Amino acid sequence: LAKTTQPISMDSYEGQEVNITCSHNNIATNDYITWYQQFPSQGPRFIIQGYKTKVTNEVASLFIPADRKSSTLSLPRVSLSDTAVYYCLVGDNNNDMRFGAGTRLTVKP
Amino acid sequence: GAVVSQHPSRVICKSGTSVKIECRSLDFQATTMFWYRQFPKKSLMLMATSNEGSKATYEQGVEKDKFLINHASLTLSTLTVTSAHPEDSSFYICSASTDRGEETQYFGPGTRLLVL
Repeated sequence: LAKTTQPISMDSYEGQEVNITCSHNNIATNDYITWYQQFPSQGPRFIIQGYKTKVTNEVASLFIPADRKSSTLSLPRVSLSDTAVYYCLVGDNNNDMRFGAGTRLTVKP
Repeated sequence: GAVVSQHPSRVICKSGTSVKIECRSLDFQATTMFWYRQFPKKSLMLMATSNEGSKATYEQGVEKDKFLINHASLTLSTLTVTSAHPEDSSFYICSASTDRGEETQYFGPGTRLLVL
């Protein structure tokens, strides 16, 4: 399974755009890239998923370069409630998903 | 979306007792469910993969006799922590993959276990 590497923590301020980059150098052809958000004492919540290029939904955008060895989660205009841990995972639906350390995002007023 | 529930949400038990945690997919069938545990401020650690109608596949270092997993139906998987000890206190989370061809998993809200 492809291993992912993310920054351990990031700080931002309300209203700013936040970009979190994840490295996954040995991603497999069948692997998708999925990002989850987790608040304390809650299960991870699906944010966005992509295979290549760019994906956008009502919450975030996901940028994936052509080589797919990295991906960037973009959160537009963050608010205090976006303070959470963000996990990047790679894998397909039928394989177990192994979580990396995640990125602890702190949004300040 | 797809909804996964867990029950109970939290449980306190005495050392030596067994605790059963249920994971249900509410609006879809899940042929595969996954069980994770998470210690405070740590990442989720995969414990086992549960397939409906077959034995679970455990990760290295996870005692299968201590963490019994039963995936009896397409909507229910259970994790039983047998003879629980204080070091088993943790946050247990399940996830399930849908049968809709989606390439993602949906997570339950988690169960906090405290063993006294």
